[in-house]
Order: sequence, then structure tokens, then C-alpha cells
Amino acid sequence: SAVISQKPSRDICQRGTSLTIQCQVDSQVTMMFWYRQQPGQSLTLIATANQGSEATYESGFVIDKFPISRPNLTFSTLTVSNMSPEDSSIYLCSVEQGEKLFFGSGTQLSVL
Amino acid sequence: SQKIEQNSEALNIQEGKTATLTCNYTNYSPAYLQWYRQDPGRGPVFLLLIRENEKEKRKERLKVTFDTTLKQSLFHITASQPADSATYLCALDSYSDMRFGAGTRLTVKP
Repeated sequence: SAVISQKPSRDICQRGTSLTIQCQVDSQVTMMFWYRQQPGQSLTLIATANQGSEATYESGFVIDKFPISRPNLTFSTLTVSNMSPEDSSIYLCSVEQGEKLFFGSGTQLSVL
Repeated sequence: SQKIEQNSEALNIQEGKTATLTCNYTNYSPAYLQWYRQDPGRGPVFLLLIRENEKEKRKERLKVTFDTTLKQSLFHITASQPADSATYLCALDSYSDMRFGAGTRLTVKP
């Protein structure tokens, strides 16, 4: 099973600033997934990050707001740009192995 | 529109009893269904996967059923323990399109 290190685990940010979240996987994976989990709601897929190509964003999410990097097969970052209080949420990275998803521990983001 | 509903936001049961969690879906044809456990401040952890052609799956004290006619999955934890307290998520996958329910928060009281 994949082990994913995600950081930071939490942060409190000011409106208008940006935060970059990092995920490191202990094995090489083709795709990495970024999710948002708002309080009391289901996990929502933001985008899929493939190494060597642009990320694929889901409806309602755009690259300018959530730029993603995928420099190699074990690492990815998600940036939450120009933050507003509505961006307060848990952000999770994930990889798939054998039909199962493995998740990082999440980043609890609070925007003031 | 596609919808996944988990029976309730919270479920409280006594230690030793069987916890039953429900996942209903509409306008969806999943190839398989998964259950995950999520503890506060942690990412979800995979528990069980059941395919559309399977009726039941077991793993230790866990049992999952999948009824594609009723469009429902039941997740059972037998002989529940306080350590089973967590949020449980169901996820439906129709090949590269995985969607999650909002989860049920289970509390097992000693």
C-alpha cells in the first residue's frame, strides 16, 4: 500500500494570500488526485495530476485558482490562490493502487 | 442528477452491538463500491471493496452487502468497540469516476 506524506497538516491564512500544499508518495504513481472536503460534505475531486502533462480539472475548479505541479512520479503540489474564507476546508491528496485509494493525512485550511 | 446518500449524519450505538450503515445511490451504475474509514484529522483509509456482481463481502468483523436492484449498500460492524468510532464513507466507482458520500459518524459507547 502507498504511504503519502502531506504537509502542512494545518494552516491559518489571511484573505488574498496563497498556500501551497505538498504531497510525497513512497512509490512511483502515474496519477495523483487532489480532493477538497468541506465540513459535513463529501470528498470532491478538484483535479487529477499526471506527470509530464497539465492537470485535468473537474467542473467548478480552474487552474488559476488551484494551480498544480507534478514534477515527477512521486511528488505533487496544489496551490490555493487568492484565498477567501470560502476556501476554508480540508484538502487531501490521493493515489490509486489496485482500485483502492490511499490518502494523505490532509491539510486543514482556515482563511480569515 | 447523480446522488449518493448515507443514512444519517451520526449513529450512536452501545459497545458489543452491531452497527449498520447505509449507502443509497441514484442515477448511477457503479462497477464497484468501496467503504472507507476516516478519523478526525486524518485521511480516509480503505476498508472493503465489493463489485457489482457480488452480493456480500466480509473482512473480520466487517460485512458489506451490495444490492444493485435497490441501489443500496449496507455496511455492518459486528461486536462493535469504542475504537470503531469514526466517520465511514462509501464511494462508488464507475471506472475512473469515483464519487463519495458525505459519511456517517459512528460513535460506539462503552
